[in-house]
Amino acid sequence: AQSVTQLGSHVSVSEGALVLLRCNYSSSVPPYLFWYVQYPNQGLQLLLKYTSAATLVKGINGFEAEFKKSETSFHLTKPSAHMSDAAEYFCAVTPYGTGNQFYFGTGTSLTVIP
Amino acid sequence: DTGVSQDPRHKITKRGQNVTFRCDPISEHNRLYWYRQTLGQGPEFLTYFQNEAQLEKSRLLSDRFSAERPKGSFSTLEIQRTEQGDSAMYLCASSLRTVSTDTQYFGPGTRLTVL
Repeated sequence: AQSVTQLGSHVSVSEGALVLLRCNYSSSVPPYLFWYVQYPNQGLQLLLKYTSAATLVKGINGFEAEFKKSETSFHLTKPSAHMSDAAEYFCAVTPYGTGNQFYFGTGTSLTVIP
Repeated sequence: DTGVSQDPRHKITKRGQNVTFRCDPISEHNRLYWYRQTLGQGPEFLTYFQNEAQLEKSRLLSDRFSAERPKGSFSTLEIQRTEQGDSAMYLCASSLRTVSTDTQYFGPGTRLTVL
């Protein structure tokens, strides 16, 4: 079975500060992991994905995430927050080699304080 | 722009009415997925198609929900006898099945309000 836990439903950071959004996964098989961002009243946009290549994955808008198998984590980071980063962020897992079902976390709402 | 499109973007209906939503995937994508997203939650998988075949439908919420993809291109999601609990955002995604895995690309969603 696959599942994702996002710790912290709301995160606030100051503009220019480090962004850290946490994601822990549970998977009975090697996982593929994704981070999506959702702006109000819009669909989800892919930020980055881990598909068993490099464990440090770089995405769009300066975001990156590191796959740590020993910690079953895939935390999302950005060195310096921008006002435009304010949005809802979702972590998702799918079993390796299938991709037919994505399991999403409950999301983390990021607020950026000027 | 040739992303995933959904129609309508908003739908308000009265309890007991039937509603149908349409999704047009990215043209070369052979897989199409439907999700439901309620306020404060992540998307919840409902069903998916590979070409015209519906490969997983056990997670459709009830027998009032059905989906079709008759020609392997666009898809429709129908909800019969709507209930207030059906109020949610319905998201469609598409992907190109590859050897490794798929990356799902999402449409803007259809927001359903049942009065």
